[in-house]
Amino acid sequence: GEEVAQTPKHLVRGEGQKAKLYCAPIKGHSYVFWYQQVLKNEFKFLISFQNENVFDETGMPKERFSAKCLPNSPCSLEIQATKLEDSAVYFCASSPPEPGPNTIYFGEGSWLTVV
Amino acid sequence: GQNIDQPTEMTATEGAIVQINCTYQTSGFNGLFWYQQHAGEAPTFLSYNVLDGLEEKGRFSSFLSRSKGYSYLLLKELQMKDSASYLCAVRDSTDSWGKLQFGAGTQVVVTP
Repeated sequence: GEEVAQTPKHLVRGEGQKAKLYCAPIKGHSYVFWYQQVLKNEFKFLISFQNENVFDETGMPKERFSAKCLPNSPCSLEIQATKLEDSAVYFCASSPPEPGPNTIYFGEGSWLTVV
Repeated sequence: GQNIDQPTEMTATEGAIVQINCTYQTSGFNGLFWYQQHAGEAPTFLSYNVLDGLEEKGRFSSFLSRSKGYSYLLLKELQMKDSASYLCAVRDSTDSWGKLQFGAGTQVVVTP
């Protein structure tokens, strides 16, 4: 596709439940990035992939958060045992194999509300 | 994140000019980005500066001073559609591609 597609747009989970978010990068892009935006504050980098390989996971919380990018499937970000503080908009972005400064394209985000 | 500062909100009238300042502190600098984000939409790329000076692109210009850790985004001939959040983001030279440190965004309100 010509845009980064994120699903679902909105997700509500009770505390302790699992949440799973999906991201389909732009066709031909090999980099995928996940960011978290809490309460309209700054974006926090979580993790990036180069194809199906983890590229940089320095922003991922050590517990409860995991992510995958498998061939021929949307990438996913999963949160086990959600907490109230996980409520945020989760943005996915993608970039082509030879990236440049104007080649990071963001999706519209998935809004997770934990109640 | 916490090392990137920009004003929370600015208001200006249609046709006017607004300058959004951004100051940053990083251990190594490898580029500064400006993004525009309308409510509920994806951030879209506006500009990129890696060398000192002014980059002009239509009604939008961005300036960088690396020695001062300072950038601004200049919006000229404001239009109602320019009402949005403007995000300043910095790439640290020690960070991987695509890992950006964002400011909290400046909400620009354009009034008739």
